[in-house]
Amino acid sequence: EAGVAQSPRYKIIEKRQSVAFWCNPISGHATLYWYQQILGQGPKLLIQFQNNGVVDDSQLPKDRFSAERLKGVDSTLKIQPAKLEDSAVYLCASSLWRKETQYFGPGTRLLVL
Amino acid sequence: DAKTTQPPSMDCAEGRAANLPCNHSTISGNEYVYWYRQIHSQGPQYIIHGLKNNETNEMASLIITEDRKSSTLILPHATLRDTAVYYCIVYTGNQFYFGTGTSLTVIP
Repeated sequence: EAGVAQSPRYKIIEKRQSVAFWCNPISGHATLYWYQQILGQGPKLLIQFQNNGVVDDSQLPKDRFSAERLKGVDSTLKIQPAKLEDSAVYLCASSLWRKETQYFGPGTRLLVL
Repeated sequence: DAKTTQPPSMDCAEGRAANLPCNHSTISGNEYVYWYRQIHSQGPQYIIHGLKNNETNEMASLIITEDRKSSTLILPHATLRDTAVYYCIVYTGNQFYFGTGTSLTVIP
């Protein structure tokens, strides 16, 4: 069974630029999550989708971050404009349904200069 | 907000059992204990989870105390590839709250 796929694996941008990350969850998984992991810390949930609907985006900085999962399968997370403090690893995870075990992708490492 | 307390780091000799403790004194009756690990530059990897009973799978064993206020993850025969950060998570059914975990180093 293929795991969660993410791209790109690495991205370097300058502050105030925009960036987008892509995630393809495990086939058949209805729930998709985006996490932010700052160096030395554990992952922090940004947004949770159930199919193509948002379940929880309470920790998403909505002034600059946006995410979508239009067809209920893959998802895109965007940052516009990026700040220095957005430098982090962005992890995507999926689960069969809500409250089920989450499986994580390899992450996208973002460096904002 | 993390609801668990773990030691920041531990060492274990290769081939020996690694016992990683976790305190979760405020856990509620219907909240699960999950364990994940994160090897450098990779995403977190699911290990095991449990509610009340002890659990075992091909990777590890999870021992939960009777009062459910603490648990121990046991890797029965640690290898160098088990060197990673181990996260103990109390799952509220809403979201995972990751703390800073325990950095386990397996020593040859």
